[in-house]
This record gives sequence, structure tokens and C-alpha cells, in this order.
Amino acid sequence: GAVVSQHPSWVICKSGTSVKIECRSLDFQATTMFWYRQFPKQSLMLMATSNEGSKATYEQGVEKDKFLINHASLTLSTLTVTSAHPEDSSFYICSARANGDTQYFGPGTRLTVL
Amino acid sequence: DAKTTQPPSMDCAEGRAANLPCNHSTISGNEYVYWYRQIHSQGPQYIIHGLKNNETNEMASLIITEDRKSSTLILPHATLRDTAVYYCIVRVDGTASKLTFGTGTRLQVTL
Repeated sequence: GAVVSQHPSWVICKSGTSVKIECRSLDFQATTMFWYRQFPKQSLMLMATSNEGSKATYEQGVEKDKFLINHASLTLSTLTVTSAHPEDSSFYICSARANGDTQYFGPGTRLTVL
Repeated sequence: DAKTTQPPSMDCAEGRAANLPCNHSTISGNEYVYWYRQIHSQGPQYIIHGLKNNETNEMASLIITEDRKSSTLILPHATLRDTAVYYCIVRVDGTASKLTFGTGTRLQVTL
């Protein structure tokens, strides 16, 4: 149980384009999902907290107009990187809070912006 | 949430127990100790968590000292597939609570 999926697992895009990443909780409902970013050889950094049916809460320094988060259902949250640039290239990971407050993580999406 | 301190790296021979320490001397009474691990290029995997009692599941055991200022994650029979970065995180449970990842311990299991 407690499986979280992400799609796509990797994506390459041109600078200036937008990329959407999906995060799904497969066998449980998640009122809260989280989005993290991880640069090479660094730890995970929380970007935003996403609550179903409401606006996401962004961490300090994260541009909400650049990283659009939509949590439209109890099993799906999406992160859209708008007007992507090479410095946005990173490993994006989502997590979903299950009953009992434990967070379960997706496998991650590697974004490369050319 | 309280800060944690972990050694940056450890080695363990395959088949032996891996004991990963974590210091959390400023932990509050309502904060849980969580352990996750991240295998290279994958998302973190939940291992175990506890409040004050020792816990055991199919993956590992968590030993929390009586004063709760430190804990040890025990992998009883380490295998090569246990090579990963292990994160000890302290947090309060609740809908507004976040996980803050430190630098973790890089465990290398060798033949």
C-alpha cells in the first residue's frame, strides 16, 4: 500500500517552454501533497505544500507564478514549470500524506531544460 | 521542528547489522522521529518512525533513547541494495507539518 506515482519519469524540453508533472496517490486519498526539488549532490528542498481544493503554500524563495501547482482531486496534484530555463533543470519529487501523517514519495521526475 | 545531526557516511559489510545514529537533542515532547532513505536517482522511501518507544517493522528497528535526544536505526542484515542515503527527520505530526531533509548519512554496504 501507500504507492505514489509520477509522470513523466524524465523530460527534456527547450528553454521557454512549459512542462507539467503529475503526481498520483494510487491506493489512498491524500488531502495534502508536497513538491520537492533536488539538485545534484544536494538534499531535497521543499518547494510547496498542496492542499486539495485550495491554493498551494510556497516556501520562501519559490516563485509561485513560475511553479504552478494544482491539486484538483484527492489523488492527483500537478506541478507546471512555466517558461522553463536551464537553471530549472533538476529532480522534482512529490510526496503524499497518508492516514497517520506519514508521507510517501513518488519516484521523481528528472527535468532537463536545453 | 528540531534539528538532527547524522554522520556523513558509514560503511557496513553485507550480512552484518547496520547501525545508523542520529542526534536530536532539542526534540520536543510531541515530535516524532522519522527515517527515510534515498537510493540513487529515486524518491525517498519511508522506513520507520516512532515517538518514544522502540519500533520494529519488516525493514528495520528504531531505538530511541529514554531522554529522546538520540536514536539509532538498525538494519539487521544489510544487503547491497541497502546502499543509500539515510535521513533522520524530527517533526510534529499534523496536517501543517513538513518534512525538512538534512544531509543524511550515506551508507555503503560492501561485499
